[in-house]
Amino acid sequence: GQQLNQSPQSMFIQEGEDVSMNCTSSSIFNTWLWYKQDPGEGPVLLIALYKAGELTSNGRLTAQFGITRKDSFLNISASIPSDVGIYFCAGQNNAGNMLTFGGGTRLMVKP
Amino acid sequence: GAVVSQHPSRVICKSGTSVKIECRSLDFQATTMFWYRQFPKKSLMLMATSNEGSKATYEQGVEKDKFLINHASLTLSTLTVTSAHPEDSSFYICSARRSGPYNEQFFGPGTRLTVL
Repeated sequence: GQQLNQSPQSMFIQEGEDVSMNCTSSSIFNTWLWYKQDPGEGPVLLIALYKAGELTSNGRLTAQFGITRKDSFLNISASIPSDVGIYFCAGQNNAGNMLTFGGGTRLMVKP
Repeated sequence: GAVVSQHPSRVICKSGTSVKIECRSLDFQATTMFWYRQFPKKSLMLMATSNEGSKATYEQGVEKDKFLINHASLTLSTLTVTSAHPEDSSFYICSARRSGPYNEQFFGPGTRLTVL
């Protein structure tokens, strides 16, 4: 089945630094999504990408849908302590609209 | 808008008992809901797709008689873990799909199940 490889698995950075994480897939997705999950909570949608090559921003977050439709990255600029959490990429295709999740990136921010 | 709730948020039960978890879309109708399971420090694994008015579709390796799903209305899906065992302890998360051009999915806050 489809698999998403997300990297890095974890990051420990200083407050104010920029962060970058990415996902690659063995097959094509029509939609890429980025979620953040806080401990004991469900994932919250950060950014949705619907078109190959699309670059979308949401505040300090920027994400891009790779031109091959097999990859995506998420950047966080000027990180703050509340950015701490686990970030998941997810790919969605048309059939059934089910989501396939990456393994997650655990972000830790040192004040 | 687009709020999904789950109840209960946390449940502890004895081995052999059954536990029902509810997933509700509060401000939109969802013909399709999804149930995920998440182990500590792991990603979300899709268990089944719940379709209003019809049988759920289970992913490979998920026992349909163990994890009963009922999607009786456009705003409610339930997951019942039957004859629970300690290995069923996990974080269960639902999502509801809002129909539209992008069929966005919105996640519930999750239910922490602990089986003693």
